[in-house]
Parts: sequence; C-alpha cells; structure tokens
Amino acid sequence: AQKITQTQPGMFVQEKEAVTLDCTYDTSDPSYGLFWYKQPSSGEMIFLIYQGSYDQQNATEGRYSLNFQKARKSANLVISASQLGDSAMYFCAMRGNQGGKLIFGQGTELSVKP
Amino acid sequence: GAGVSQSPRYKVAKRGQDVALRCDPISGHVSLFWYQQALGQGPEFLTYFQNEAQLDKSGLPSDRFFAERPEGSVSTLKIQRTQQEDSAVYLCASSLSDSTGYSNQPQHFGDGTRLSIL
Repeated sequence: AQKITQTQPGMFVQEKEAVTLDCTYDTSDPSYGLFWYKQPSSGEMIFLIYQGSYDQQNATEGRYSLNFQKARKSANLVISASQLGDSAMYFCAMRGNQGGKLIFGQGTELSVKP
Repeated sequence: GAGVSQSPRYKVAKRGQDVALRCDPISGHVSLFWYQQALGQGPEFLTYFQNEAQLDKSGLPSDRFFAERPEGSVSTLKIQRTQQEDSAVYLCASSLSDSTGYSNQPQHFGDGTRLSIL
C-alpha cells in the first residue's frame, strides 16, 4: 500500500529565512511521482512542485526546491526566503503508476513570522 | 474562468437529505478526480473518471455516494440520505493526463464545496 507521512504538524519560520518541510513515503511501485501542494486558509489547493522517481536531479521551481532522497524514500520541500504569504498548510502527495489518484499526507501548517 | 469550478461553495443540509455537488473541470482535461477532506486532514480519494468512464470508485465510503460524468466534462457527486459524518470539504481536480503509465501532469483543484450536515 502507498503511504505518505508528514511528521511536522506545525512549523514556524522567520520571514526571509529558509524552511524545510519533511515528507517520507512508502510504495512498491517502481515508478511514481511526488507532488507538493499549498492550501491557504481560503481552501484552494495550489500545485507547487513535482518530482518523478526517475528524475536524476532535484526539482526546483522558483523559491521552491525538493530534496529528493530516493534510498531514504524522502521528498522534503525547501522554501527559500520565506514570505508572509507562505503561511498555509502544505501537503505532500504521491501518485503511483496504477491509476492517477493522489495519496496525501496529513499536512504541515507553516507560519511565517514577520 | 480557466480553472476548475465547483458549486455550490457552501452547502448546508439536514441529515437524511440528498445533495448534489457540481464540478466543471478545465477544458480539455481528460481526467477528473473527487476527494474528501475532513477538517485538519489531508484529502482522501473518492473516485476517478477518464472522460466519461468511471475507472476507479474504490474510495467511495458507501453506496450512498454516487458520481457521474455523462459527457466527459462536467461531473456531479451525489450523496443520498446524508449523515453527519459526511460533513467535509469535497474537492474536485482535473488533469490533462490519463491514468496509463507514468505522468508528471499535476492535478488542478477547484476551491471545493464545504458540506455541513445538521
């Protein structure tokens, strides 16, 4: 069975500093994709970044980067130069190669302090 | 608009009533997904359509839940004889890709319908 684990229910970071949000996963699929989504208090789910299991390099997208360690089955999200608008829930999700559904973790609530 | 549109945004119903939630995906998106998100939790998969075909309904919690996408575009999630445990946010997502093989296409989510059962 596929599973995503996010062990940090809440995180605080000072504005302009970097923060790492942890995500570990479990799957028996040989190929899979890992996604990070942001969910502000308004409720919409915003796609941030994607990492494929066969990608040789860590994904980057603006201030977001993914620290992908395949052997450890971890896919941590790094947000650089935090902004007040980054305060939100962050979800890690996985998609296997059998069907398109996403399996989500429990989420991490990030609070950026001014 | 260009995004996934869900309606209504909020729905309050009395226990035992039937409700219908609508999702209008991004034009041209083949795949459509429904998820249920309880308060403080991550979304949980309910069902998946590829065009008009419902390929996976393994996440539907009971036979009171029914989804359709008759013309391969707009989808409706129906809940019959609602119960208090049905209270949640129902999220719809669409994607360009189909379910075959390995794809990096993200799912794009609507704003959700917040369902409250009294």
